[in-house]
Amino acid sequence: QKEVEQNSGPLSVPEGAIASLNCTYSDRGSQSFFWYRQYSGKSPELIMSIYSNGDKEDGRFTAQLNKASQYVSLLIRDSQPSDSATYLCAVDFGNEKLTFGTGTRLTIIP
Amino acid sequence: DGGITQSPKYLFRKEGQNVTLSCEQNLNHDAMYWYRQDPGQGLRLIYYSQIVNDFQKGDIAEGYSVSREKKESFPLTVTSAQKNPTAFYLCASSNPSDKSSYEQYFGPGTRLTVT
Repeated sequence: QKEVEQNSGPLSVPEGAIASLNCTYSDRGSQSFFWYRQYSGKSPELIMSIYSNGDKEDGRFTAQLNKASQYVSLLIRDSQPSDSATYLCAVDFGNEKLTFGTGTRLTIIP
Repeated sequence: DGGITQSPKYLFRKEGQNVTLSCEQNLNHDAMYWYRQDPGQGLRLIYYSQIVNDFQKGDIAEGYSVSREKKESFPLTVTSAQKNPTAFYLCASSNPSDKSSYEQYFGPGTRLTVT
């Protein structure tokens, strides 16, 4: 069974701090990993893709991948109130589709 | 302006009626997907299609049907056999032939309420 696990939260982080979101997955052979941001009542928006072990940075966002430990994380630096949303982790298990976690709800406290 | 459109944004139906949700993309993507999202839940895959005239069942296909007659269009019919159809329906597309693999891009969604 291909599974993606996320802590549902809510995760509360003070404005300006670093928010750390984690995701674990069940298949060590997985190749592609994605983070989506979903505001309440809206559709998911792709914010990061990562394919290789290590870190990938894009602005205030950093995705970290550790295939040996089967986890992928998303760091948000200098958190802003506009970062308050649900963050979905998705994994390509090589079966022509993505499997999504249930999401972590993040709240940035001003 | 490339993207994915879904219509309508809100849809209300009486129990026992079939309803078709529209999804159109002009991204020239080969693959298209339908998901359902219930309050506080993740995304559950209903159907997906990798190429025109071919589609596969996802995890919760019962009570739904799809067609893929054109690359740009992937309509979803919610039939009266679907026991709990009220949900937020999301359409997505991707281009697996790209090196970006299965990056999926979502439309704005259709919120269906059945009473």
